[in-house]
Amino acid sequence: DTGVSQDPRHKITKRGQNVTFRCDPISEHNRLYWYRQTLGQGPEFLTYFQNEAQLEKSRLLSDRFSAERPKGSFSTLEIQRTEQGDSAMYLCASSLVGGGETQYFGPGTRLLVL
Amino acid sequence: GEDVEQSLFLSVREGDSSVINCTYTDSSSTYLYWYKQEPGAGLQLLTYIFSNMDMKQDQRLTVLLNKKDKHLSLRIADTQTGDSAIYFCAEKDSSYKLIFGSGTRLLVRP
Repeated sequence: DTGVSQDPRHKITKRGQNVTFRCDPISEHNRLYWYRQTLGQGPEFLTYFQNEAQLEKSRLLSDRFSAERPKGSFSTLEIQRTEQGDSAMYLCASSLVGGGETQYFGPGTRLLVL
Repeated sequence: GEDVEQSLFLSVREGDSSVINCTYTDSSSTYLYWYKQEPGAGLQLLTYIFSNMDMKQDQRLTVLLNKKDKHLSLRIADTQTGDSAIYFCAEKDSSYKLIFGSGTRLLVRP
């Protein structure tokens, strides 16, 4: 079990560009979550999937954000037309339904929008 | 709405015990968690407690839960310099997402 992995670990982009992040959950974990963490704050929920179905989206997830989990395994989070306010750490977590629902986090992708 | 509050900073001497406190608002929370975050890293699960328990001990870590007051604490015995990090308390709401506090920065002085 290699844990949750995220790619890339760091991303610097210019305002207005699109970026895409990938998350690979712990194998056999059927729930996958995305959170965003800004400096000095705790993580804030963005969205989560159970298998391939996106079951909840936060109001933080504007229409510039889209997340997918096409085959119920890895997930991608895309931000279109990035803004400086999107600069943050994007964290992915996974959990197993019926397994106590404990969420295990990946190392995060740190995004800087110039 | 749901809210989790933590004190911002704690400084202790190496070898002493550390106690980090947290209050939460959602009385329907089934699990409460403590995570540790080191600079530039993701969140490491330290321990969790089910809402029908008062206490849980795991090696140097002791979690106390006062459900009536919605108060959670994490005690770290024999605190080491490697324990310096930010500690987050989190509650799981009815839709499975975690609600986090702003974190308590623990500084361990040699």
